Amino acid sequence: QKEVEQDPGPLSVPEGAIVSLNCTYSNSAFQYFMWYRQYSRKGPELLMYTYSSGNKEDGRFTAQVDKSSKYISLFIRDSQPSDSATYLCAVQGGSEKLVFGKGTKLTVNP
Amino acid sequence: EPEVTQTPSHQVTQMGQEVILRCVPISNHLYFYWYRQILGQKVEFLVSFYNNEISEKSEIFDDQFSVERPDGSNFTLKIRSTKLEDSAMYFCASCPQPNTEAFFGQGTRLTVV
Repeated sequence: QKEVEQDPGPLSVPEGAIVSLNCTYSNSAFQYFMWYRQYSRKGPELLMYTYSSGNKEDGRFTAQVDKSSKYISLFIRDSQPSDSATYLCAVQGGSEKLVFGKGTKLTVNP
Repeated sequence: EPEVTQTPSHQVTQMGQEVILRCVPISNHLYFYWYRQILGQKVEFLVSFYNNEISEKSEIFDDQFSVERPDGSNFTLKIRSTKLEDSAMYFCASCPQPNTEAFFGQGTRLTVV
């Protein structure tokens, strides 16, 4: 079983749509959860960091963690063409390394 | 806004040659990392570094790899004898404490020919 599973998409939505991105993880030792945005051939840019179950909101972005189901989500409200990128979930716990999902490629069409 | 900077942005090298990838982490951060991303694949952990020594490394980080913090600002990754399969984007990251937000640089694209 892979440590982190993420649907690679691609996902295409119209501008203004609500986007839902998801990951599942297998190891309950993971206690820290991050979402990164990555533009083509660029470095991952940190969007959200959380360590507790529940929701965390930052502007148009909401990160949701359900530790009982080992399920994490990122919601993007009022999506914009500039949100078009690959979104990576990452988990951490029990060691220093981040374990990444494969990434979901999102396109927001004007 | 403070950021992690990496040089060069792109490096082409011949198989068997040594390369050094350079990073300047965020200045008040204490934990440093190297990750790599082969084209179309996941970002993979290579090594973590704290207090001038390796704290954790992956199976990928074999004897061909080494890291160093030669002065108070730079953090380097050396690959001694590059192979074709070392071609990838290499990302440096830093964070102030373990298990906190990790900030990544823009990466060095290494092409081994």
